[in-house]
Amino acid sequence: GQNIDQPTEMTATEGAIVQINCTYQTSGFNGLFWYQQHAGEAPTFLSYNVLDGLEEKGRFSSFLSRSKGYSYLLLKELQMKDSASYLCAVLDSNYQLIWGAGTKLIIKP
Amino acid sequence: SQTIHQWPATLVQPVGSPLSLECTVEGTSNPNLYWYRQAAGRGLQLLFYSVGIGQISSEVPQNLSASRPQDRQFILSSKKLLLSDSGFYLCAWSGGEFHQPQHFGDGTRLSIL
Repeated sequence: GQNIDQPTEMTATEGAIVQINCTYQTSGFNGLFWYQQHAGEAPTFLSYNVLDGLEEKGRFSSFLSRSKGYSYLLLKELQMKDSASYLCAVLDSNYQLIWGAGTKLIIKP
Repeated sequence: SQTIHQWPATLVQPVGSPLSLECTVEGTSNPNLYWYRQAAGRGLQLLFYSVGIGQISSEVPQNLSASRPQDRQFILSSKKLLLSDSGFYLCAWSGGEFHQPQHFGDGTRLSIL
């Protein structure tokens, strides 16, 4: 079967750095997406990785290791508005997007 | 720029009633279109996707159906709603290449009484 694992919930302090991990076992791989979803709202696209390595976009970075079936989302200089769920999704060999259940990130002052 | 509109934002329906949720996309042509459902605190469950007019793929057998009568219009329907149909319904579009990100509408929160 296909599976994506993320921690259910994480807590971090405003101004700090947090790393949200995602591991996957899928039938093939055509890329990995990260989305942010604030409570009661729709997901919004953050990043896409298809090659190994780190992609940086401002305060957010996303890392991929295809050999390990592993990705992480790194959030720096945390702000209260970063409190949200972060969804990892993998595009499998049939170009179907497999979604993780998401990680709820709580930011404390 | 591309925009996606989904309505209504909230809906309360009795069990056994019909359903019609509509989604339209502007600013692009021949998009891939998707309907998802999200239960509270859970991930996204793909219900239907479409790569073109009249082309619908169903991912989960259920009492829901989808139609794409026009290039940028996607409709989710049911003839008789069940209690288990409650949830947050999201429409999304993406470009023709599947590695392109999906962009979501604001969602419809459906409560079945």
